[in-house]
Amino acid sequence: AQSVTQLGSHVSVSEGALVLLRCNYSSSVPPYLFWYVQYPNQGLQLLLKYTSAATLVKGINGFEAEFKKSETSFHLTKPSAHMSDAAEYFCAVTSNTGFQKLVFGTGTRLLVSP
Amino acid sequence: KAGVTQTPRYLIKTRGQQVTLSCSPISGHRSVSWYQQTPGQGLQFLFEYFSETQRNKGNFPGRFSGRQFSNSRSEMNVSTLELGDSALYLCASSLGQLSYNEQFFGPGTRLTVL
Repeated sequence: AQSVTQLGSHVSVSEGALVLLRCNYSSSVPPYLFWYVQYPNQGLQLLLKYTSAATLVKGINGFEAEFKKSETSFHLTKPSAHMSDAAEYFCAVTSNTGFQKLVFGTGTRLLVSP
Repeated sequence: KAGVTQTPRYLIKTRGQQVTLSCSPISGHRSVSWYQQTPGQGLQFLFEYFSETQRNKGNFPGRFSGRQFSNSRSEMNVSTLELGDSALYLCASSLGQLSYNEQFFGPGTRLTVL
C-alpha cells in the first residue's frame, strides 16, 4: 500500500520568505509523486510531478521539489513567498500499476503574512 | 480549452435520498476519476473510468456507484444518503490512462446532507 505524510497542517511564512512544505511517502514500488494546490472553493491544480526522470522537478509559480529516495521525501519549496501563494497544498502518490488512483496526504495550509 | 465542469456546484439533500452528480471532462480526455474530500478523511479516491469501463474502485460502500458514457462524460450516484456523505466531490480527467498522466480537476460539487 502507498501512503503520504505531510508534516504540519499549517505553515506560516512572511511574504518574501522561503516556503518549505514537507512530504514523506511510503511505497513498495517506485512512486510517482505530485504536488497539488487548492484555493478556496476551487478544485486542485497540479504544481509539479515526479515521474522518475530528473530528481529536481520545477513546477509552476516558482515552486520546485526534490525527490530523495534515501529519505523517502518529496518536499516542496519556493524561494520567496507571495501573498497569492496562500492556499492548501496536497502531496500525492501513485505508481506504475496502470491505475490513476492518487493517494493524498492530509494537506498543509500555507499562510502568508505581509 | 474549457476545463473540467461539474454540475451542480452545490446540492442540499436529506438523509435517505439519492443524488446524481455529473462531470464533463476536458475535450479529448477519456479518463475520469472521482474523489471525495471531507475535513475528517481528507481526499479519498472513489472511482476511475476509461472508455466507459470502471478500472478501479476505492473503499466505499455499494451506495456509491458511477458510470461513464461514450462521450466520456461521467456521473456518480449516491443512494440512501447519510449525514457522513456531506463532502466536496471532485472529478478529474486525464488525456491518457497512465499513472503519471496529469489529472485535471474540476471545481467540485459540494453536497450537504441534512
